[in-house]
Amino acid sequence: DTGVSQDPRHKITKRGQNVTFRCDPISEHNRLYWYRQTLGQGPEFLTYFQNEAQLEKSRLLSDRFSAERPKGSFSTLEIQRTEQGDSAMYLCASSSTGAIGNTIYFGEGSWLTVV
Amino acid sequence: AQSVTQPDIHITVSEGASLELRCNYSYGATPYLFWYVQSPGQGLQLLLKYFSGDTLVQGIKGFEAEFKRSQSSFNLRKPSVHWSDAAEYFCAVGSGGSYIPTFGRGTSLIVHP
Repeated sequence: DTGVSQDPRHKITKRGQNVTFRCDPISEHNRLYWYRQTLGQGPEFLTYFQNEAQLEKSRLLSDRFSAERPKGSFSTLEIQRTEQGDSAMYLCASSSTGAIGNTIYFGEGSWLTVV
Repeated sequence: AQSVTQPDIHITVSEGASLELRCNYSYGATPYLFWYVQSPGQGLQLLLKYFSGDTLVQGIKGFEAEFKRSQSSFNLRKPSVHWSDAAEYFCAVGSGGSYIPTFGRGTSLIVHP
């Protein structure tokens, strides 16, 4: 069990540029979640996948944001035309389905700074 | 919609003292409740969770939490705090088939020597 892995850990980008984050979940987990966390706040849900299907999206996920999980394994979160308000930590998490009570495991997060 | 309130933004305790972090939730049915801890610049680690059964839940690192339906609360406790417990603590509530947790804004724990 290598845990949830996120890359890059830190990204500084200029406003208007596109950025992409990658998440590799725990290998046997079929659910994958993306959250966003700003300073002094708790994580806010963005979207989640079960296998390759994107089952739920938050209204926080504007049309500049797109998430994919093409083969039901790793996932990418792309932000187009970044704005300063996008500066945050983007957290990925994974879990398995099945019995109630499955633990959701979080990665270390990807910090985005938009300048 | 489900929501979580953590009324204390900061809590300061002395090392060795007991700790209680408050959490109140809002959800119509039986909630699934979690406490996570986050060290600076890091991801979240699950301390404990409640889904059903015994309302007193034991977690890692000596933490426990008690689910009180009548008070809509799920407070986190530790009898003796260590300096390494200084971190941000998040309470979360999940529900429905997706069990997607909704997080509170967190409580920052400061431990004095």
